Amino acid sequence: DAGVTQSPTHLIKTRGQQVTLRCSPISGHKSVSWYQQVLGQGPQFIFQYYEKEERGRGNFPDRFSARQFPNYSSELNVNALLLGDSALYLCASSLGTGGWRGNQPQHFGDGTRLSIL
Amino acid sequence: QKEVEQNSGPLSVPEGAIASLNCTYSDRGSQSFFWYRQYSGKSPELIMFIYSNGDKEDGRFTAQLNKASQYVSLLIRDSQPSDSATYLCAVNIAAGGTSYGKLTFGQGTILTVHP
Repeated sequence: DAGVTQSPTHLIKTRGQQVTLRCSPISGHKSVSWYQQVLGQGPQFIFQYYEKEERGRGNFPDRFSARQFPNYSSELNVNALLLGDSALYLCASSLGTGGWRGNQPQHFGDGTRLSIL
Repeated sequence: QKEVEQNSGPLSVPEGAIASLNCTYSDRGSQSFFWYRQYSGKSPELIMFIYSNGDKEDGRFTAQLNKASQYVSLLIRDSQPSDSATYLCAVNIAAGGTSYGKLTFGQGTILTVHP
């Protein structure tokens, strides 16, 4: 079975530009979460979507937005890019069946490495 | 105090030894605990998860959870050079039960297994 797929793999942008990152979850997974990982640190939570609704938002500015589509794939958009947005952007999917055990194990894609010049 | 803290490392163990990785968390209401392995330049790979107090074993890996002490650990028995990676502890911080999709990660511990 296919795992979480993300595109593109690498992206180079300049300051002020906008970027869209894409994620397809594991088949049957309805929850998608986005994380940002900078070198030497653990991933930082950006968003979670479950059944096409935003269920959680991390401490990121409004320049970051996301959505989930009826097929449970997701996009992360970042506007007005800053040098500090350079990072590995990770998408993770899980079953997300609700309740406290709704935090089913999350499986990560290979990530999109975003470089801002 | 950080929400999730891991022993700073780096940790170096000889091949065949037991590697012990530790993690503490601040939110007593946390319910779900995960260990991920991340090779350099790659994405995190789930290796263990645990919900209940006690030990959970899977092959050479054992996760241990002590909610009273807010402590979770990962033991790797018979360590192999291929186990050399960064190990990330992740916790579902139960913020009023609404952010069950949010994992809070520690900074990671770099493990090196030398032949």
